[in-house]
Amino acid sequence: QSVVTQPPSASGTPGQRVTISCSGSSSNIGNNYVYWYQKVPGTAPKLLIAKNDQRPSGVPDRFSGSKSATSASLAISGLRSEDEADYYCGTWDDRLSGFVFGTGTQVNVL
Amino acid sequence: QVQLVESGGGLVKPGGSLRLSCAASGFIFNDYYLTWIRQPPGKGLEWVSFISRTGSHMNYADSVKGRFTISRDNAKNSLDLQMNNLRPDDTAVYYCARGGPSNWEGPDFWGQGILVTVSS
Repeated sequence: QSVVTQPPSASGTPGQRVTISCSGSSSNIGNNYVYWYQKVPGTAPKLLIAKNDQRPSGVPDRFSGSKSATSASLAISGLRSEDEADYYCGTWDDRLSGFVFGTGTQVNVL
Repeated sequence: QVQLVESGGGLVKPGGSLRLSCAASGFIFNDYYLTWIRQPPGKGLEWVSFISRTGSHMNYADSVKGRFTISRDNAKNSLDLQMNNLRPDDTAVYYCARGGPSNWEGPDFWGQGILVTVSS
C-alpha cells in the first residue's frame, strides 16, 4: 500500500468548496514538492498543481494547492459537475528513491 | 504540443514477456526524465520506473525490480519498458509520462495509456 494517504472520497454540491488532504512523512512530502493529478476514468491523468501550489497553464484558478510540514491539500472552489473525478497527490520519496502517489480520492458532485 | 503514444500492450500468459514502447514528440526529448506509471483495474496509480535524461540512471518500484527494464533512445525520441516474468498482478493500464529535468519532479504530460493483461 502507498506511503502517502488520502481520504477515499469527498463530495459537495455545485458551487461549494471541497478540500482533499494528502498525508505523508519526512521522507516524502516533508522534504519534496507535491503534485496533484485529476484522473477521469478512461482518460490520461492531468496535472492540476505542480510544486505544491503552481497551476500549469490552462488549469482553472478554482483549483489551488498548499503544503505544510508532511501534509498537503488540494482545494476545489466553485465545484462543478465536470470536477467529478479521482484526484491523486504525488511526491518524490527519498527513502524509496522513487515517485509515490497517494491512495486517491474520488470526488462526487451531488 | 507534447505527445506521448504508447504501443505494445496486449494479453500475455503468466511468466511471459512483453515490450512496451512510447513515441514522444513536441518537446526536446533529452531534456527530460521519463517515467512509466500503471493503474491496475479498480485501483490507484502506481509509479513503476524512471530513467534519466541520458539513460545512465534508472530505478524501479520494488514490485517490478529484477523483472522490468526501462530504456530510452534519444536519437529516436522513444522510451521502452521490457517486462519479463509477468504476473497476474502486473495487469494494468500502463502510462508513459514526461518528468522534469530532475528525477524528483512529478510527471507533467502523460500518454493515453495501454492495457496489459496477464492471464492464462
